[in-house]
Amino acid sequence: QKEVEQNSGPLSVPEGAIASLNCTYSDRGSQSFFWYRQYSGKSPELIMSIYSNGDKEDGRFTAQLNKASQYVSLLIRDSQPSDSATYLCAVANDYKLSFGAGTTVTVRA
Amino acid sequence: DAGVIQSPRHEVTEMGQEVTLRCKPISGHDYLFWYRQTMMRGLELLIYFNNNVPIDDSGMPEDRFSAKMPNASFSTLKIQPSEPRDSAVYFCASSKGRFQPQHFGDGTRLSIL
Repeated sequence: QKEVEQNSGPLSVPEGAIASLNCTYSDRGSQSFFWYRQYSGKSPELIMSIYSNGDKEDGRFTAQLNKASQYVSLLIRDSQPSDSATYLCAVANDYKLSFGAGTTVTVRA
Repeated sequence: DAGVIQSPRHEVTEMGQEVTLRCKPISGHDYLFWYRQTMMRGLELLIYFNNNVPIDDSGMPEDRFSAKMPNASFSTLKIQPSEPRDSAVYFCASSKGRFQPQHFGDGTRLSIL
């Protein structure tokens, strides 16, 4: 079982729609959860961090964490073409940050 | 504030040559990480340091790879001898604490011919 699994993509959404990204993790002792965005040919860029159960909103992004279900999600509201990228879920347990394989999102204009 | 700085940005070399990648973490960050990213394997943690001390090098693929952090502002990842399968993008990242977000450098795109 992989430490961090993301819903397979690619995900194509029309401009203005909501993009929903999901992530599950295997280690119940995980403490911190992050979403990174990576444009093609660029480095991962942190867009959201969440540490406790519930929702966290930042602009058009909402992260949701459910530790009991070992589940993290990211919602992108009012999707824009500039949101087209690969989104990486990352989970921190002990000293290690484990990354999912990423979900590629394409926003159609 | 300056982010994580990596050099070189691109490296093309022949098989068997020594390759040295360099990283300057964000000032004040106690943790430094080296990652490798390929299409096939995604983003893999190679090694990380805490206060200049290597903590976990279990991700280093083999003895050809070595990493050092002689001080808080500099780290190197060395491959000797290099092989074509080492071709990848290598990222350095740093963070303030154990569960804090990691900030990535721009990466080094390495091609071994």
